[in-house]
Amino acid sequence: DAGVTQSPTHLIKTRGQQVTLRCSPKSGHDTVSWYQQALGQGPQFIFQYYEEEERQRGNFPDRFSGHQFPNYSSELNVNALLLGDSALYLCASSSSLKGVSSPLHFGNGTRLTVT
Amino acid sequence: GEDVEQSLFLSVREGDSSVINCTYTDSSSTYLYWYKQEPGAGLQLLTYIFSNMDMKQDQRLTVLLNKKDKHLSLRIADTQTGDSAIYFCAESFSSGNTGKLIFGQGTTLQVKP
Repeated sequence: DAGVTQSPTHLIKTRGQQVTLRCSPKSGHDTVSWYQQALGQGPQFIFQYYEEEERQRGNFPDRFSGHQFPNYSSELNVNALLLGDSALYLCASSSSLKGVSSPLHFGNGTRLTVT
Repeated sequence: GEDVEQSLFLSVREGDSSVINCTYTDSSSTYLYWYKQEPGAGLQLLTYIFSNMDMKQDQRLTVLLNKKDKHLSLRIADTQTGDSAIYFCAESFSSGNTGKLIFGQGTTLQVKP
């Protein structure tokens, strides 16, 4: 049973560029959430996707956008990269089956470095 | 407001018990979680507790919740060197599905042989 998989594992970009990160949820999960973890900090919620729509959003600018595909996989896009966007980006999946408690399962993350 | 706080560092001897503490401010949280993060890795779910429970035990792990004081703790019995990692507590506010979690800044657990 594959867990949450993310690609790429590491990425180096230049300020002003755009980046796309990818995530495949754990088998049986239909909901994907994205988090940003700066060095030495706890993860911060970016947004959540369910049924191919953004369902919840944290306090991040519009430069951060996402997408969910019919197979439940998801992409995180960041435009006009800033040095402060350097972080570990974590994808987490869960099940939205009604009435069922479904804790988040995290992938190993994508380490983004902006120079 | 939403805020979760943890002490930053804990050092114990192998075989001792470890207790990692967490305080939160929002009493409307529904679930509280403990995650473990090893270097270069993502977050591994250790255990979680529903907000109407006081205690949950799972093998070497014991979670205690004091809702009146908004205090959560994780006790690891017989701590091993493999338990060295960063431990995060987190709270959620949704019933059933968990989307937005509020995390603490993490407690680094160092286990000395």
